[in-house]
Amino acid sequence: EAGVTQFPSHSVIEKGQTVTLRCDPISGHDNLYWYRRVMGKEIKFLLHFVKESKQDESGMPNNRFLAERTGGTYSTLKVQPAELEDSGVYFCASSQVSQQFFGPGTRLTVL
Amino acid sequence: AQSVTQPDIHITVSEGASLELRCNYSYGATPYLFWYVQSPGQGLQLLLKYFSGDTLVQGIKGFEAEFKRSQSSFNLRKPSVHWSDAAEYFCAVVPNFGNEKLTFGTGTRLTIIP
Repeated sequence: EAGVTQFPSHSVIEKGQTVTLRCDPISGHDNLYWYRRVMGKEIKFLLHFVKESKQDESGMPNNRFLAERTGGTYSTLKVQPAELEDSGVYFCASSQVSQQFFGPGTRLTVL
Repeated sequence: AQSVTQPDIHITVSEGASLELRCNYSYGATPYLFWYVQSPGQGLQLLLKYFSGDTLVQGIKGFEAEFKRSQSSFNLRKPSVHWSDAAEYFCAVVPNFGNEKLTFGTGTRLTIIP
């Protein structure tokens, strides 16, 4: 069974540009989560999908971040326009019952 | 405010030595507790979890953790570390069943020396 995959593994963009991160959860997992780790800080929750619906988006930092999960399968997280403080590692996780399975993360660097 | 504290940012131990990584939480009630490990280039992997029952839980890779309610702690232990244990370790909590939003500590980076 394939695990959670994320693309790209690393993205370097300039301030003001747009970046879209993608997460493919484990097949059949209804729950999909996005987390972010800014350098030196803890991993923080961004939002939670149940199928295609946003269950909890309380962790989204501001309206420059847009997450979607059309069809309840893969999810995208768009940052537009990117700012320096958006740099960090973005993790995606999926679950069906309780245990969350994490992807390897996307390292975003905003210059 | 609810929080998770991992007081040790970086720990260095010799291969074969014992290991204890500390985790303290601050919640109104006993949350669900987890330890994750992240090896370079890998995602977070669940080592073990505590929901209820026996306060000493066994995990994968020879790790165990003990829940101590009186100390609000959930420390991770391993009797003898291997070079492959070098990684970053995260303690995490979920306040209650049905709320799966994980709250993480800042992580402890483990270095193993020969």
